[in-house]
Amino acid sequence: VMTQSPLSLPVTPGEPASISCRSSQSLLQSNGYNYLDWYLQKPGQSPQLLIYLSSNRASGVPDRFSGSGSGTDFTLKISRVEAEDVGVFYCMQSLQAPFTFGQGTRLEIK
Amino acid sequence: EVQVVESGGGLVQPGGSLRLSCATSGFTFSNIWMGWVRQAPGKGLECVAMMNEDGTQKYYVDSVKGRFTISRDNAKNSLYLQMNTLRAEDTAVYYCAKDNRYAAFDRWGQGTVVTVSS
Repeated sequence: VMTQSPLSLPVTPGEPASISCRSSQSLLQSNGYNYLDWYLQKPGQSPQLLIYLSSNRASGVPDRFSGSGSGTDFTLKISRVEAEDVGVFYCMQSLQAPFTFGQGTRLEIK
Repeated sequence: EVQVVESGGGLVQPGGSLRLSCATSGFTFSNIWMGWVRQAPGKGLECVAMMNEDGTQKYYVDSVKGRFTISRDNAKNSLYLQMNTLRAEDTAVYYCAKDNRYAAFDRWGQGTVVTVSS
C-alpha cells in the first residue's frame, strides 16, 4: 500500500514544496535501486513521468523537481513552485507488478 | 517521435464486453513492457494490467482477474485489453502506457473512455 501526504498542498509561487510517500513494504531491490516513481497529472491531461528509481529525473523535467528516499520512505521536492506545477502528484511502486499508486496529492497555487 | 494512441472505448451495458487497442510508434515495441492504467471519474490512478516484451508474463489487479485479458501483437506494434463481464465500477478513462526499461511509465496515451451503464 502506498500512502501519500499531504493530500492537498496549497503553495505560494516561488516557495518550496514537499510531498511524502510511504510504502508498506520496502522498495529497495537487491540491485541497490529503489523502485519508486513520481508522476504529475496536470488538469485535463494524461499523467507524465517526473522521477524514476526514486531520484532520477525523466527527460525534459525541470531541475526544480527532485526525488529522494530509500526503503519505505520517499520524498518529492519542488525547490520553487511555479503556476504550471498545478495538478495531482502520484507516487507509484514499480517493484511488483501490477504497479500501484498512492492516492495522489493535489497541489494548488495560493 | 514516440506515439501511443488508444481506441475502442465507448458505452456498454453491465455484463458486456469491450476490446481496447493501443497503437504505438517511434520505439522498438517488441523490447518494451507495456501496461493499462485506468482512472475512474474524480479518482486516482490504478494499474489494471501489465505485460512483458514477449507476452509470457501478464499481471492483473485483483479486481479484474478472470475478466480482463491483456495481449500484444509485436508485428503490429499494438497492445490490447479485452474486457469481459464489465461492471459499473469499470467505468474509467483507460490509458495505455509504455515502460522506460527502468520500471516507469514514460509515455502515456491520451486515454479512451469506457462507460458501463444500462
